[in-house]
Amino acid sequence: GENVEQHPSTLSVQEGDSAVIKCTYSDSASNYFPWYKQELGKRPQLIIDIRSNVGEKKDQRIAVTLNKTAKHFSLHITETQPEDSAVYFCAASSRMVTSYGKLTFGQGTILTVHP
Amino acid sequence: EAEVAQSPRYKITEKSQAVAFWCDPISGHATLYWYRQILGQGPELLVQFQDESVVDDSQLPKDRFSAERLKGVDSTLKIQPAELGDSAMYLCASSPKQNYEQYFGPGTRLTVT
Repeated sequence: GENVEQHPSTLSVQEGDSAVIKCTYSDSASNYFPWYKQELGKRPQLIIDIRSNVGEKKDQRIAVTLNKTAKHFSLHITETQPEDSAVYFCAASSRMVTSYGKLTFGQGTILTVHP
Repeated sequence: EAEVAQSPRYKITEKSQAVAFWCDPISGHATLYWYRQILGQGPELLVQFQDESVVDDSQLPKDRFSAERLKGVDSTLKIQPAELGDSAMYLCASSPKQNYEQYFGPGTRLTVT
């Protein structure tokens, strides 16, 4: 099955700096890669996703890049703000008939943005 | 904006007791997932429904866990008997049938004493 590794486990930045979180996956059949933000005690919220036919996707201060050859993808947050502080999870899924939409999550990154 | 609903939000139970969690997905979402999230880790899939059918329950401890989605809408996850190691957040998510995006509910925080 799919295995997703996420690094770093904790990340501390100053407000205004950029933050980068990286994930690697094992299943070459994976073709959908979402990122979720989870604030303490709250539900995971989808913040951006990318499909395998795209190399990069941006949404305001957030961007995701995908390298299919190396089987890794990254989340980039620019001009970080204190409200970006949360746990971020990457995930991957493959379009297999028996596992349609099944997400395998990384271990999470605790991002702290200091004012 | 429509959201996935779950209840209860918190549940404390003694080991060997039975517990049940309820999930109401976003209207029209045919795919429903139950995840377990242990503190400090990512969610792990327990069971996936497509309409009323189970399509993946390979990670569901079937000796004590059961899940149903009888009419293909809301769903119930049951644990009987609960064990100390079952303490975790139980998250429900739903997705449109032909789409990958999964939207999560607020979860049920289970504590087994």
